[in-house]
Amino acid sequence: GAVVSQHPSWVICKSGTSVKIECRSLDFQATTMFWYRQFPKQSLMLMATSNEGSKATYEQGVEKDKFLINHASLTLSTLTVTSAHPEDSSFYICSARDLGSPDEQFFGPGTRLTVL
Amino acid sequence: QQQVKQSPQSLIVQKGGISIINCAYENTAFDYFPWYQQFPGKGPALLIAIRPDVSEKKEGRFTISFNKSAKQFSLHIMDSQPGDSATYFCAASKGGYGQNFVFGPGTRLSVLP
Repeated sequence: GAVVSQHPSWVICKSGTSVKIECRSLDFQATTMFWYRQFPKQSLMLMATSNEGSKATYEQGVEKDKFLINHASLTLSTLTVTSAHPEDSSFYICSARDLGSPDEQFFGPGTRLTVL
Repeated sequence: QQQVKQSPQSLIVQKGGISIINCAYENTAFDYFPWYQQFPGKGPALLIAIRPDVSEKKEGRFTISFNKSAKQFSLHIMDSQPGDSATYFCAASKGGYGQNFVFGPGTRLSVLP
């Protein structure tokens, strides 16, 4: 149980294009999902907290117009990187909290984004 | 106050040895402390977690020791195996639904065969 999937697992795009990453909780409902960014050999950096049916809460320094987050259902949150640039290349990871286990976060496998 | 410190940055252990990773926090409102294991190119996976009302928790070869007064907690991996080679992150949370985690910077563990 408590499986989180991400799609795609990796993506390469050209500079200036937009990329959408999906995060799904497969066997539980998640009213709250989190999006993290991880650079090589570094820790996870929280980008935003996504709540179902409401606007995401962004961490300081994260551009909300560049990283669009939508949490339209209890099992799906999406992160869209708009007008991507090479510096946006990173490993993006989502996590979700199960209503039945409020303390734990279940992480997805991550999406490797490379912007050329 | 939101920061979680972690040491060492990297660790090399012989097969069968004990791996010890330490973390420290400042915010006394934290009340949930998980450890995650991450392999390259993969998402983090929960290893073991503890709450401040216990001083130690053991699951298989993994043990968390918690010192509330010192605001420190540590992960002990007994009988370390080459398959344990990964990056380990400690984290802290205020607990409860919707609270985010604060992660330590990570420790890269290498277990030599």
